[in-house]
Amino acid sequence: QQQVKQSPQSLIVQKGGIPIINCAYENTAFDYFPWYQQFPGKGPALLIAIRPDVSEKKEGRFTISFNKSAKQFSLHIMDSQPGDSATYFCAASKKPGNMLTFGGGTRLMVKP
Amino acid sequence: KAGVTQTPRYLIKTRGQQVTLSCSPISGHRSVSWYQQTPGQGLQFLFEYFSETQRNKGNFPGRFSGRQFSNSRSEMNVSTLELGDSALYLCASSLNPTADGEQFFGPGTRLTVL
Repeated sequence: QQQVKQSPQSLIVQKGGIPIINCAYENTAFDYFPWYQQFPGKGPALLIAIRPDVSEKKEGRFTISFNKSAKQFSLHIMDSQPGDSATYFCAASKKPGNMLTFGGGTRLMVKP
Repeated sequence: KAGVTQTPRYLIKTRGQQVTLSCSPISGHRSVSWYQQTPGQGLQFLFEYFSETQRNKGNFPGRFSGRQFSNSRSEMNVSTLELGDSALYLCASSLNPTADGEQFFGPGTRLTVL
């Protein structure tokens, strides 16, 4: 069964801290791993995505680390801000834009 | 460029009724996918349409169906509604899922089944 496991379910950090969200997958056919950010009342918005041939990708304050052998990937948010408070979802698919399998989500709160 | 639009934004139905939700993708996008979001099950893939053809289908009962029109707009239909169908239904569009195209999500339709 295709599955993506995400942890933690919730996370509270102080402003400026570096929250880390982890995901693990089982299906080795997955080759596209995006992270989405969702605010209440909105649809998910793509933050950053990575392919398995790269171990790390950085875009602004967001970094994905990818460990192909362990089948794990994680999101780091540098210098977190209260505006980053949202729910974050990792996902995986066999092709970019194809059927996404989502993790369970992490509710992040960044305290001022 | 306008984003993905979904109508209606909110809907209240009773058990046994049917419902149709609509999605207009970003101009030029030919792929439309539908997802169900609930607190218990999270985000789950329903189906994907490309050029009016269903290309992928998630693990949902036959009560859930969809279609895509020649202008890429899509509709999904749920028949014989159950209480458990209460959810946020999200539509996402992309240029072409076989390329490096990201999916852009709409704001969703909040369906409540009483």
